[in-house]
Amino acid sequence: AQSVAQPEDQVNVAEGNPLTVKCTYSVSGNPYLFWYVQYPNRGLQFLLKYITGDNLVKGSYGFEAEFNKSQTSFHLKKPSALVSDSALYFCAVRGRGSQGNLIFGKGTKLSVKP
Amino acid sequence: AAGVIQSPRHLIKEKRETATLKCYPIPRHDTVYWYQQGPGQDPQFLISFYEKMQSDKGSIPDRFSAQQFSDYHSELNMSSLELGDSALYFCASSNRGSANTGELFFGEGSRLTVL
Repeated sequence: AQSVAQPEDQVNVAEGNPLTVKCTYSVSGNPYLFWYVQYPNRGLQFLLKYITGDNLVKGSYGFEAEFNKSQTSFHLKKPSALVSDSALYFCAVRGRGSQGNLIFGKGTKLSVKP
Repeated sequence: AAGVIQSPRHLIKEKRETATLKCYPIPRHDTVYWYQQGPGQDPQFLISFYEKMQSDKGSIPDRFSAQQFSDYHSELNMSSLELGDSALYFCASSNRGSANTGELFFGEGSRLTVL
């Protein structure tokens, strides 16, 4: 079955420092991987996706993610964190044989302190 | 740009009552998905519709049903409500092209509280 794992419940970084939110995946076939962000009491907003092509994917708000097939990882990164980046981040994988249904990880809470 | 519209945003019900949530997808989007997110949990896929037909089914309880109408809006009907149904219910939409690459556009959610 398709699944993703986010090993960290929370990540704390200082503003201006680089941030990494980790995600590993387990899939049958080619992985379609995504990152979404959720602010309190809000819907999920799409950040970026990996379908095929370059392993480094650039997305919204200065975020990027690196697809690593050998490590089955898709970590989210940003060179310089902002306080406004504080939110809940979900890694997701497309369900197998579905019409686009996404399977989400448990989420990682990112806290950026001034 | 138009987004996914969900109503109501907040709903309070008693146990064993029924509730109906509505979702209006982004114009020209033909696929609708319903997700349930419990407190502190990740979103769990319930059901999806493409061109008014059920296209995929997840962990939707038998007490719940859903449909997509001719104008592509969708409704999630929940009966015999239980305390455990208290959650944030998200609707998402996509069009055939983005569905194949998985980018879903989410609404703000409907928060159901069962007392």
